[in-house]
Amino acid sequence: DQQVKQNSPSLSVQEGRISILNCDYTNSMFDYFLWYKKYPAEGPTFLISISSIKDKNEDGRFTVFLNKSAKHLSLHIVPSQPGDSAVYFCAARYTGNQFYFGTGTSLTVIP
Amino acid sequence: DTGVSQNPRHKITKRGQNVTFRCDPISEHNRLYWYRQTLGQGPEFLTYFQNEAQLEKSRLLSDRFSAERPKGSFSTLEIQRTEQGDSAMYLCASSSATGFYEQYFGPGTRLTVT
Repeated sequence: DQQVKQNSPSLSVQEGRISILNCDYTNSMFDYFLWYKKYPAEGPTFLISISSIKDKNEDGRFTVFLNKSAKHLSLHIVPSQPGDSAVYFCAARYTGNQFYFGTGTSLTVIP
Repeated sequence: DTGVSQNPRHKITKRGQNVTFRCDPISEHNRLYWYRQTLGQGPEFLTYFQNEAQLEKSRLLSDRFSAERPKGSFSTLEIQRTEQGDSAMYLCASSSATGFYEQYFGPGTRLTVT
């Protein structure tokens, strides 16, 4: 059962515009959420995270929003840059340090 | 290089053979995770260590899989009697007990079972 879902396999955005990547989850017991970026032939790289007690966390060009009632989180990248082109995974932490990942969204930023 | 390292990077084996992978985490990290990733999927949690103790193991993990972290430093993941369905990327990650759960991933070991 896929407890963390990324329903958009791909997204294309013009350079300088906003990229919005979405993630839905089903388990209300998740207490921490993270976003990772992955380039080909590399392991995922941590981007930004948010605790379930917050609704927003910002770090430079990256902002994560959490809507617990909708079981939805999103990652906003503003402004988007060509170097942001990668696969983005959202992940959720379950008690005991088990982490569940979505299937990823491939972002292409067009120069 | 102080990142997470994994060896080998690639492994091709015949069905039925045993394979072992090694992960060296970031030295000050006491948490270590193993994941499996197949094409088009996100990393799938396999197991978690805190120091040398294996605290979590996926209920989906076959008993052909075993992991160790004998001295709380490097870890090994062994797959016995490999099957073609075991073909995947095996990722190792580590994290600090004082961090906010962010994990640092190695480059992975790609296993191909023929």
